[in-house]
Amino acid sequence: DTAVSQTPKYLVTQMGNDKSIKCEQNLGHDTMYWYKQDSKKFLKIMFSYNNKELIINETVPNRFSPKSPDKAHLNLHINSLELGDSAVYFCASSHRSGTGFYEQYFGPGTRLTVT
Amino acid sequence: EDKVVQSPLSLVVHEGDTVTLNCSYEVTNFRSLLWYKQEKKAPTFLFMLTSSGIEKKSGRLSSILDKKELFSILNITATQTGDSAVYLCAISSNTGKLIFGQGTTLQVKP
Repeated sequence: DTAVSQTPKYLVTQMGNDKSIKCEQNLGHDTMYWYKQDSKKFLKIMFSYNNKELIINETVPNRFSPKSPDKAHLNLHINSLELGDSAVYFCASSHRSGTGFYEQYFGPGTRLTVT
Repeated sequence: EDKVVQSPLSLVVHEGDTVTLNCSYEVTNFRSLLWYKQEKKAPTFLFMLTSSGIEKKSGRLSSILDKKELFSILNITATQTGDSAVYLCAISSNTGKLIFGQGTTLQVKP
């Protein structure tokens, strides 16, 4: 009965590699997000998709590319990983109405360590 | 630049105490203010506030928003050790983006 799930939970990889993180939600939401939480626990938005359309694209290196095959899935692909990419990446989802967005529900996070 | 500031950054109390966490903000397109609790993993949703002066309550937790003074408070009464966590305040803009504060780390001692 998991609401927002992410895989993998942990990812350890070397600099220069390419990796992907997957996110799925079964809440019936139409909007999904990627956030990065750094070592100081500060959460920052990276991307958001509404009905498979990119609606938020923050100042993120173009080595990061999100992909949303359908409303229930949002994946994050990272090319040429760098040490500074080490962080916890959270996926979230929410419902969008005509007047705005409802509360976001977060996945368990993926801890990425680049060595 | 949009900004959310929480205070205090950390707090240590004993079980049974009452705590008040603060969140002030400066944002261009305000839609709502949200509170989350983060223990070891994912932030879990507590409250969403859109109107001034209306208190939201859930058990021992309550929160209120002041849109004129641009702040919100989160109160926890009769604290328990299970309340130990990082409490995050966030503003939702009209694009759905959440802008988070740096969090308040609460430790409740037995």
